[in-house]
Amino acid sequence: NFMLTQPHSVSESPGKTVTISCTRSSGSIASNYVQWYQQRPGSAPTTVIYEDNQRPSGVPDRFSGSIDSSSNSASLTISGLKTEDEADYYCQSYDSSNRGVFGGGTKLTVL
Amino acid sequence: EVQLVESGGGLVQPGRSLRLSCAASGFTFDDYAMHWVRQAPGKGLEWVSGISWNSGSIGYADSVKGRFTISRDNAKNSLYLQMNSLRAEDTALYYCAKDSEQLAGRGWIDYWGQGTLVTVSS
Repeated sequence: NFMLTQPHSVSESPGKTVTISCTRSSGSIASNYVQWYQQRPGSAPTTVIYEDNQRPSGVPDRFSGSIDSSSNSASLTISGLKTEDEADYYCQSYDSSNRGVFGGGTKLTVL
Repeated sequence: EVQLVESGGGLVQPGRSLRLSCAASGFTFDDYAMHWVRQAPGKGLEWVSGISWNSGSIGYADSVKGRFTISRDNAKNSLYLQMNSLRAEDTALYYCAKDSEQLAGRGWIDYWGQGTLVTVSS
């Protein structure tokens, strides 16, 4: 099986752009789609990106996703940061047996 | 409106069993795979188990394999998680989650419940 590694925390100012990385330990990042989930304190997660770079309806286009085969990683980019974006963000994919794998999560602080 | 309502959590002693339920509404339940995802206090998300629309494909995390059993009753629009031989490290908020596809692992989680808390302690 593989692991997905994220930075523990990132911080940025309102209006700026932040990128959160998610590195796959083994196997190709392109082998299985990557999803990104946002979890605000005290709330259930919600999906902000699915299938590497698709946004569910209702998610603003300030949120974008991508994968980079050279670094074997996925990235979530949030532009025009707002205080409401402050949350934990988790990347997620599936292994070859269709078992879910989550990254450890990244705490985004907007200060 | 999609609703997923978990129940069955509580305080249980190590080694005992507990059965979680998830009542689904607002969508055609038997058209989609379902998952259980848990979150230990102050920790990250951990995928626990997934089941396809017709129960034909089931998967478990290594941490629960052999102890937990996922099942569904499409006639009752319900998802279950039977948890046996519970350990302290199973203490977590357990979320029921809907997949976007019929087969777990082919889609993405598009809806989450609010979770039910399981505490394993003597």
